[in-house]
Amino acid sequence: NAGVTQTPKFRVLKTGQSMTLLCAQDMNHEYMYWYRQDPGMGLRLIHYSVGEGTTAKGEVPDGYNVSRLKKQNFLLGLESAAPSQTSVYFCASSYSRLGYTFGSGTRLTVV
Amino acid sequence: AQTVTQSQPEMSVQEAETVTLSCTYDTSENNYYLFWYKQPPSRQMILVIRQEAYKQQNATENRFSVNFQKAAKSFSLKISDSQLGDTAMYFCAFRPLQGAQKLVFGQGTRLTINP
Repeated sequence: NAGVTQTPKFRVLKTGQSMTLLCAQDMNHEYMYWYRQDPGMGLRLIHYSVGEGTTAKGEVPDGYNVSRLKKQNFLLGLESAAPSQTSVYFCASSYSRLGYTFGSGTRLTVV
Repeated sequence: AQTVTQSQPEMSVQEAETVTLSCTYDTSENNYYLFWYKQPPSRQMILVIRQEAYKQQNATENRFSVNFQKAAKSFSLKISDSQLGDTAMYFCAFRPLQGAQKLVFGQGTRLTINP
């Protein structure tokens, strides 16, 4: 099925550990995004990409890095996880005004 | 920068009733899109309805309709004949017409439909 696939779906990290979240889309969308969702704060944009090889900072980029080496993949990295990064992470892709397609989310807990 | 505000953290109604969720936004842009997304307990983000700011007619999708007041920067969602399956978090979102198509979300409203 066409869509956005996020891996993993759940993860528990210890403070200071690193990890990479993978987002893959098979719709040939140019734009891809990483959001985090926290209670009472909605979804906030971490980083985004307007095409292969490009990335840009969103609203809350500190502590995260991203890469878009291939058009279909958008990776979100945490170099040194902190408890403040405990959240649900969503990847999304977009083409023109047709709206977004969201992944099913990754629940990350940093202890 | 654009901001989106949902002033109702939680709402609860009885099945078959009509409920209205509020959303206001702030922008200096003249052309943009507004969205309502539904997030059930499965966590999936589901597009409920979309409104283009240059269209004066309010968007409607079956039991879901919006009241778009551009001058007041208000975008409320009305759910008619509410059903148990409508229980979810609802997010209002704004997207400029131009640029990187970034969505700006409100804080969300948790809606519970009671039997």
